[in-house]
Amino acid sequence: DGGITQSPKYLFRKEGQNVTLSCEQNLNHDAMYWYRQDPGQGLRLIYYSQIVNDFQKGDIAEGYSVSREKKESFPLTVTSAQKNPTAFYLCASKDRGRVSYGYTFGSGTRLTVV
Amino acid sequence: GESVGLHLPTLSVQEGDNSIINCAYSNSASDYFIWYKQESGKGPQFIIDIRSNMDKRQGQRVTVLLNKTVKHLSLQIAATQPGDSAVYFCAETLNDYKLSFGAGTTVTVRA
Repeated sequence: DGGITQSPKYLFRKEGQNVTLSCEQNLNHDAMYWYRQDPGQGLRLIYYSQIVNDFQKGDIAEGYSVSREKKESFPLTVTSAQKNPTAFYLCASKDRGRVSYGYTFGSGTRLTVV
Repeated sequence: GESVGLHLPTLSVQEGDNSIINCAYSNSASDYFIWYKQESGKGPQFIIDIRSNMDKRQGQRVTVLLNKTVKHLSLQIAATQPGDSAVYFCAETLNDYKLSFGAGTTVTVRA
């Protein structure tokens, strides 16, 4: 089955630590996205990448970093500079040129700072 | 059926009734809109979409209405079922650039 996989499902981080969230897709999609979701709120865009080796900041990029070395993978690092990292993180991918039905979301990673 | 004129964060619906979920979008230039359903602890699932050159589109038990004059989108669910309980989000995009999401409405279906 083609799909998008996020790991781990739950992640605990100590104050001051960097953590990396994994996102892998086997849909052959060109574009990939990272969203953050806080309780009772909509999704906010962190970073996105339209092609390999290229990515752009979204609306709330501060304290986050990404890389796109492979088409299948778009890992997100939550750095110690992120003031309030506890949230639900969602990765999505999309086939460029196809809008309808095109966005596929992963199941998310819930990050908690302890 | 249950309906709201403005966006509300929660909606309680009797099983079998029709539901109407409203969304105000932000960019008058947006050309494509999507409704998503999100169950607890999961990623959003596609429900239905509509382009800006349309004002209505129907799917299975769902209808999306678009009013560009007031930048308003609504999702109608016919004969609401317990499995429809979830958070519903509208999203907009311009030129397929990136998705921007609304705040979401939590729908609870009463038996």
